[in-house]
Amino acid sequence: EIVLTQSPVTLSLSPGERATLSCRASQSVGSYLAWYQQKPGQAPRLLIYDASNRATGIPARFSGSGSGTDFTLTISSLEPEDFAVYYCQQRTNWPLTFGGGTKVEIK
Amino acid sequence: QLQLQESGPGLVKPSETLSLTCTVSGGSIRSGSYYWGWIRQPPGKGLEWIGSISYGGSTYYNPSLKSRVTISVDTSKNQFYLELSSVTAADTAVYYCARRDYYGSGQSRYFDYWGQGTLVTVSS
Repeated sequence: EIVLTQSPVTLSLSPGERATLSCRASQSVGSYLAWYQQKPGQAPRLLIYDASNRATGIPARFSGSGSGTDFTLTISSLEPEDFAVYYCQQRTNWPLTFGGGTKVEIK
Repeated sequence: QLQLQESGPGLVKPSETLSLTCTVSGGSIRSGSYYWGWIRQPPGKGLEWIGSISYGGSTYYNPSLKSRVTISVDTSKNQFYLELSSVTAADTAVYYCARRDYYGSGQSRYFDYWGQGTLVTVSS
């Protein structure tokens, strides 16, 4: 099983600041990694797929990078609606696995 | 617009079987090359993939749950199902159904459509 480790667990930032979230895989997943955003009481929403591609309707302030075992989600300038929990997920191998999440909270 | 909706009991007794239904609307469960899956999230915790099924009935399960999980599909009703046996309090979670493609490339290779989720509590 591929283990995804996200860091930090919590990120305290102010609106307008840049957020940098990390996801590290226990073995290479190539570029087959996605990022999801989840707000309280809602299902996760796909943000980034294949490491660096924005999903339909996702604003340009969200960007993803990385390959192999190290990946980054960057939010260039935090909007109030961006404060949420973010998860990474790999599809390279069964079982599909998610990271433990990073909570982006208002400082 | 494709929609998925989970339904089932919100309370299950320990040692019993949890049974949920996901109803797909706005599209056919038989169309395309899709896996229909279940994912759960214990309160305040992260996401765990439970398993997936194709419309033809091919299944993939998380090894951590495989001995207790059965996922099935009824294409005539445009529904798929989750059964989780011998539940304990550790199975208390919000259960989501979701779709992903198993061919091609692009965002649909990930979970691009989700249900709203249903909370199942295991308690006597």
